[in-house]
Amino acid sequence: AQKITQTQPGMFVQEKEAVTLDCTYDTSDPSYGLFWYKQPSSGEMIFLIYQGSYDQQNATEGRYSLNFQKARKSANLVISASQLGDSAMYFCAMREGNQAGTALIFGKGTTLSVSS
Amino acid sequence: DTGVSQDPRHKITKRGQNVTFRCDPISEHNRLYWYRQTLGQGPEFLTYFQNEAQLEKSRLLSDRFSAERPKGSFSTLEIQRTEQGDSAMYLCASSLPYEPGGETQYFGPGTRLLVL
Repeated sequence: AQKITQTQPGMFVQEKEAVTLDCTYDTSDPSYGLFWYKQPSSGEMIFLIYQGSYDQQNATEGRYSLNFQKARKSANLVISASQLGDSAMYFCAMREGNQAGTALIFGKGTTLSVSS
Repeated sequence: DTGVSQDPRHKITKRGQNVTFRCDPISEHNRLYWYRQTLGQGPEFLTYFQNEAQLEKSRLLSDRFSAERPKGSFSTLEIQRTEQGDSAMYLCASSLPYEPGGETQYFGPGTRLLVL
């Protein structure tokens, strides 16, 4: 079974609108971390936001927020007020356990296209 | 503070040749990771260093692959006798010894390898 599932291969949104990118995960470890990265066409993976499994509140970083629903094992990324520069590939990733040095497990990504 | 850098950014080689990639992590980051990303997929973990010690290797890292981090700073990834299936983006990431809330990996721009 896939550990990280991103069911939307592509999403389209107009500038200034909000968009939600879906991510579900599968783990039996009670301690884990969830990450979202942005990958523009240049290739670099840019860290956006992090949510720990024990965090009580949803993480927010500027226009990015993470809708964390632990019982449903979902960690959706919400981008508010989309900008043309948000067009990129977005990856959800998980770190199982709390030990440093643990590899990230990535989903297949969602391509976001923002139009004017 | 400069980010993770990788060199070269692009490499084209013929099947059977050896290639070597370099990664310079963010200064003071003692953990360094290598990932491989093929087209349409998320990155997959290859190997991990803490300082100069290689602590984990994925089954993806066949015996044609070798990675080093001799002084605990930069790292090299060498692929011997390249095959067409090695064509991919090779990503390097680094992380701090400790961050409140958990470790975050910061990625470099990647090296795109094409094996002809």
